[in-house]
Amino acid sequence: GENVEQHPSTLSVQEGDSAVIKCTYSDSASNYFPWYKQELGKRPQLIIDIRSNVGEKKDQRIAVTLNKTAKHFSLHITETQPEDSAVYFCAASIDSGGGADGLTFGKGTHLIIQP
Amino acid sequence: DTEVTQTPKHLVMGMTNKKSLKCEQHMGHRAMYWYKQKAKKPPELMFVYSYEKLSINESVPSRFSPECPNSSLLNLHLHALQPEDSALYLCASSQEGARVTEAFFGQGTRLTVV
Repeated sequence: GENVEQHPSTLSVQEGDSAVIKCTYSDSASNYFPWYKQELGKRPQLIIDIRSNVGEKKDQRIAVTLNKTAKHFSLHITETQPEDSAVYFCAASIDSGGGADGLTFGKGTHLIIQP
Repeated sequence: DTEVTQTPKHLVMGMTNKKSLKCEQHMGHRAMYWYKQKAKKPPELMFVYSYEKLSINESVPSRFSPECPNSSLLNLHLHALQPEDSALYLCASSQEGARVTEAFFGQGTRLTVV
């Protein structure tokens, strides 16, 4: 099955600086890569996703890049704010054109924004 | 309405009890999921339902029994659980079709087995 590795496990950055979280996946058939943010005691919420036919996607301060050859993808958050503090999970799934497969998650990154 | 609603929010049960977790969505999603999340760990997939039929069982012990009575509801029946089954149980749903789409998660049921 799919294995998703995520680094670092904890990331502390100064408010206003950028944060980068990296993930690798093992199954070359995986082609859908969402990122979820989970605040303490709350549900995971999608912040951005990317499919394997795209190399980069951006939404305001958040961007995701994907390198299919190397089987890794990264989350970039610019101009970090205190409300960005949370646990971030990368995930991978196979979009086979029919039939939901569920998500395989990385272990998570605890992002701490220092004021 | 982009809500996935889970009940109860908290549940404490003994090892000989039988209880059920419930999940409901009204987004017209035909794929529904159960995930288990231990503290400081990622969600782990347990079951996938597609068009009310069980399509994936990730080798989950039989003391967990899923049920999908209709396209809006998903249940997880619990029986003879162990203390190590204590966790946050998350339900999720997504559209089913030609492309994988965003999975919406419920708030979860925090289960404690005593």
